[in-house]
Amino acid sequence: GDSVTQMEGPVTLSEEAFLTINCTYTATGYPSLFWYVQYPGEGLQLLLKATKADDKGSNKGFEATYRKETTSFHLEKGSVQVSDSAVYFCALSERNTGNQFYFGTGTSLTVIP
Amino acid sequence: SAVISQKPSRDICQRGTSLTIQCQVDSQVTMMFWYRQQPGQSLTLIATANQGSEATYESGFVIDKFPISRPNLTFSTLTVSNMSPEDSSIYLCSAGTGRETQYFGPGTRLLVL
Repeated sequence: GDSVTQMEGPVTLSEEAFLTINCTYTATGYPSLFWYVQYPGEGLQLLLKATKADDKGSNKGFEATYRKETTSFHLEKGSVQVSDSAVYFCALSERNTGNQFYFGTGTSLTVIP
Repeated sequence: SAVISQKPSRDICQRGTSLTIQCQVDSQVTMMFWYRQQPGQSLTLIATANQGSEATYESGFVIDKFPISRPNLTFSTLTVSNMSPEDSSIYLCSAGTGRETQYFGPGTRLLVL
């Protein structure tokens, strides 16, 4: 069945460091891929998405490229800020399974000044 | 986009009791969902809340334990019945015009003693 495997955390970085959070997926068809972010005490917010292979989603300095050949959707940011401290969830949605969402386990990121 | 509110934001309950969680969306949406996020784990879909008819439950979740109502396009409730400590979790409501775009509420943190 469909699934998402996400890099385990927690991740602690210094401000302005480079961030990569790995995400790989298993799907029977052609899923859409998402990154959601959950700031402390808040709900999940859509950070970015990509709906087909080689698409790059980007938002707030974060980027992720849909790589079909490696079944990956790694999240990157060139220079993190303290305000990026949050939990990041990778997810997929596929029409073959009624567009149900499958979430990774989440990666907690703490950025220290 | 849609703004989603949930009530209560958190609660501490005794085993054997029931808690009803409310989800309100600020605009009419096609689809509403309920998720559970157990400590240290990812989100698991409980059910799709269908307007005016019975909810569609995922494997492992039943109506007797998690009755759901959706009387209109902007409101839904989830009841956690006959609670046990294993029901301690964060319960999240999400909504959208399709499964591919979902907006999440802030969640309800439930602790069952």
